[in-house]
Amino acid sequence: EIVMTQSPATLSVSPGERATLSCRASQSVSSNLAWYQQKPGQAPRLLIYGASTRATGIPARFSGSGSGTEFTLTISSLQSEDFAVYYCQQYNNWWTFGQGTKVEIK
Amino acid sequence: QVQLVQSGAEVKKPGASVKVSCKASGYTFTSYYMHWVRQAPGQGLEWMGIINPSGGSTSYAQKLQGRVTMTRDTSTSTVYMELSSLRSEDTAVYYCARGAGEQLNNWFDPWGQGTLVTVSS
Repeated sequence: EIVMTQSPATLSVSPGERATLSCRASQSVSSNLAWYQQKPGQAPRLLIYGASTRATGIPARFSGSGSGTEFTLTISSLQSEDFAVYYCQQYNNWWTFGQGTKVEIK
Repeated sequence: QVQLVQSGAEVKKPGASVKVSCKASGYTFTSYYMHWVRQAPGQGLEWMGIINPSGGSTSYAQKLQGRVTMTRDTSTSTVYMELSSLRSEDTAVYYCARGAGEQLNNWFDPWGQGTLVTVSS
């Protein structure tokens, strides 16, 4: 099983600041990596697939990068609605998720 | 628009079974794989398994083998997830999520709203 490790577990950021979230795979997943946002009491929502392609309707302040084993999700200027938990997922070999990064208000 | 609507919350006793439904609409039901994912309280996301609505073939996460069964009804565009021999650790929100493309290896989009299953004596 491919293990996905996200860091940090919690990220404290002020509104308007940049947030950088990391995701590492235990073996190469090529570009088969997605990012999801989850708010309390809601289902996860797709943000990014193919490591760097924004899903329909996702604002341009969200961007993804990386390939192989190292990936990054960047939120360029945090808005109030962006405070949530973010999960990475590999779909190269079955499907596994990282443990999540909580982005909280500083 | 593509929509997945799940059945309501359930409370079950240890040792019992639960069956959760997920009704799809807005697309050709048999053209896309469907996954089940669960999330224990305050925890992350755990992939449970996949069903091909076209032929009904399934694959399950190893830790759930023997306890989970996924089925589908093409006449109502509904998939089902049944989990047996429930224990307290199965308390979680259960989500169905559609594979995003017609190939097997794809991300998930969209997701159902989730069904809370509580296992308690």
